Amino acid sequence: QSALTQPASVSGSPGQSITISCTGTSSAVGGYNYVSWYQQHPGKAPKLMIYNVSNRPSGVSNRFSGSKSGNTASLTISGLQAEDEADYYCSSYAESNIRVFGGGTKLTVL
Amino acid sequence: QVQLQESGPGLVKPSQTLSLTCTVSGDSISSGGYYWSWIRQHPGKGLEWIGYLYYGGSTYYNPSLKSRVTISVDTSKNQFSLKLNSVTAADTAVYYCAREGVDCSGASCNNWFDPWGQGTLVTVSS
Repeated sequence: QSALTQPASVSGSPGQSITISCTGTSSAVGGYNYVSWYQQHPGKAPKLMIYNVSNRPSGVSNRFSGSKSGNTASLTISGLQAEDEADYYCSSYAESNIRVFGGGTKLTVL
Repeated sequence: QVQLQESGPGLVKPSQTLSLTCTVSGDSISSGGYYWSWIRQHPGKGLEWIGYLYYGGSTYYNPSLKSRVTISVDTSKNQFSLKLNSVTAADTAVYYCAREGVDCSGASCNNWFDPWGQGTLVTVSS
């Protein structure tokens, strides 16, 4: 069972915005540690999309943004495109040097 | 451009040892500054962190796997390896290696995995 909780699925139509939540304990996501987000297309390796809550690596579209409030981090994708359909995972540095992942959210572009 | 590539047997028999190697190009494991991690994904499931190695010899493992896992480094080949012993069918998964950045400020830490290897499927079966 993941220490980070994500919705199993979200969906949206092209052009819309969607938000994926990631809720953790006080030691992960919460006041002390931060969140990164990964996109994974079927059969492919995960790709870093957001780190340190809201920073985008070079080359990642600015349609992807991150935020955090309390123990919940969020990934927002604006201007939804067909290519955004994928699984999304959050990850955090938890207590005692442990790294944790959320269970993943399947994004469907309608 | 940093690239990671996993290699190793795709089929392992139950009770035996799973051994994988990650070859790093475009960066040096011995330069420090990054952690070198293994992550796995069971078929159709989410990601599970296995553990990391930091140049200098320090390692840290997921407590759920700690008794069976060893991560080591061969700096002459710029490779790091994963050994998982006493495997069962439950260890069937795609195994990824990844470079991990970690930035701690006081009690707060931020980590990110980038880049990842393409992944390699390991099946445990007789």
